Amino acid sequence: QAVLTQPSSLSASPGASASLTCTLRSGINVDTYRIYWYQQKPGSPPRFLLRYKSDSDKQQGSGVPSRFSGSKDASANAGILFISGLQSEDEGDYHCMIWHNSASVFGGGTKLTVL
Amino acid sequence: QVQLVQSGAEVKQPGASVKVSCTAYGYVFTDYYIHWVRQAPGQGLEWMGWINPNSGGTHYAQNFQGRVTMTRVTSIRTVYVELNRLRSDDTAAYYCAREGSGNYEDVFDSWGQGTLVTVSS
Repeated sequence: QAVLTQPSSLSASPGASASLTCTLRSGINVDTYRIYWYQQKPGSPPRFLLRYKSDSDKQQGSGVPSRFSGSKDASANAGILFISGLQSEDEGDYHCMIWHNSASVFGGGTKLTVL
Repeated sequence: QVQLVQSGAEVKQPGASVKVSCTAYGYVFTDYYIHWVRQAPGQGLEWMGWINPNSGGTHYAQNFQGRVTMTRVTSIRTVYVELNRLRSDDTAAYYCAREGSGNYEDVFDSWGQGTLVTVSS
């Protein structure tokens, strides 16, 4: 079982909101981890969006709009990237990441379509 | 302005080696770790390890140990990743990424443009 699991795709309408989930493998407690989110558009490298552990331990990427935010669902053992007011430019792949046992581990990524 | 500039695309045969470079601009080269991350076509990101440009110290992901080497030449602000005994499933875009500091500790805050390595006979 993968350390981090993301849905492969998600679609939403312009102006709507989207919640992208990143589920940690059983036995790895989301409460103890910072969750990192990266956005990637076709043909480009990833871009750091934000890091979230708690409301008192979070960091927004440089120039990243406040409509991108992080949270957690402890009951689902998952990190969440919430995007409000979706725009066409938000289309792309979203990757979650954690540092686990001194190694960086990525989820498989979610392709977000805005249509 | 921070910039990481990588070398060009490579085509290699199975069993060969490839060496990709990443040259840093716009900051003090020895102050920030550089990580390597790869992405197979249509797939997710895979972390390969890091190098400390100051000391030359390295830490490799378990999946690559024994097959990867990261080095640096400080005089030209360049780091390298070399991957040996290439297989077809090593075909991927290889990215270097700078690890930030302060509030951006453990964040990959700047990325190279990527280098496509194709392994094919």
